[in-house]
Amino acid sequence: TQLLEQSPQFLSIQEGENLTVYCNSSSVFSSLQWYRQEPGEGPVLLVTVVTGGEVKKLKRLTFQFGDARKDSSLHITAAQPGDTGLYLCAVIQGAQKLVFGQGTRLTINP
Amino acid sequence: DAGVIQSPRHEVTEMGQEVTLRCKPISGHNSLFWYRQTMMRGLELLIYFNNNVPIDDSGMPEDRFSAKMPNASFSTLKIQPSEPRDSAVYFCASTRGDFRETQYFGPGTRLLVL
Repeated sequence: TQLLEQSPQFLSIQEGENLTVYCNSSSVFSSLQWYRQEPGEGPVLLVTVVTGGEVKKLKRLTFQFGDARKDSSLHITAAQPGDTGLYLCAVIQGAQKLVFGQGTRLTINP
Repeated sequence: DAGVIQSPRHEVTEMGQEVTLRCKPISGHNSLFWYRQTMMRGLELLIYFNNNVPIDDSGMPEDRFSAKMPNASFSTLKIQPSEPRDSAVYFCASTRGDFRETQYFGPGTRLLVL
């Protein structure tokens, strides 16, 4: 059983459309991170959310932490081909480990 | 500033051979992490060093895997003997402090064991 369930696993949409991807768990976390990984590269941290209900914006990307701190969403407005990549959520588990979800593989078609 | 450097970027080897992956963390960073990424299992932590000392190696699959960090600027991950199921992308990451700080990933080593 995965600690973090990300959905959808794959998403392919046209440039200009909006989309939302999700990261869910039955556990409560003190914080949650979102990463983007482009083909052939390592993941890059986008944002960390720490407060239940918190909303953070990064240009066209909006991140929300659930009120109960068990889940999070990432919304992209007017998607562009440069948004293509693998989006990973991650949480700290136990005392010394960062655990990642399986990711959502996003493709934006021109 | 240079990021995390990994070598080689690609490695193809035959089953039973020894494989050594190398990592140079960002200068001044105190923690180093080795991860493995596969389609089936996603991104998994293998081992975590802090100040060159292994803190958590619970993710190391089995005795065939070993990791060392002889100094603050170099680490190796060795697989001996390698098996086809070890085929994956191996990432190294480093942080300024401990695992709670922002992790900076290298570009990865894509390993294929035939």
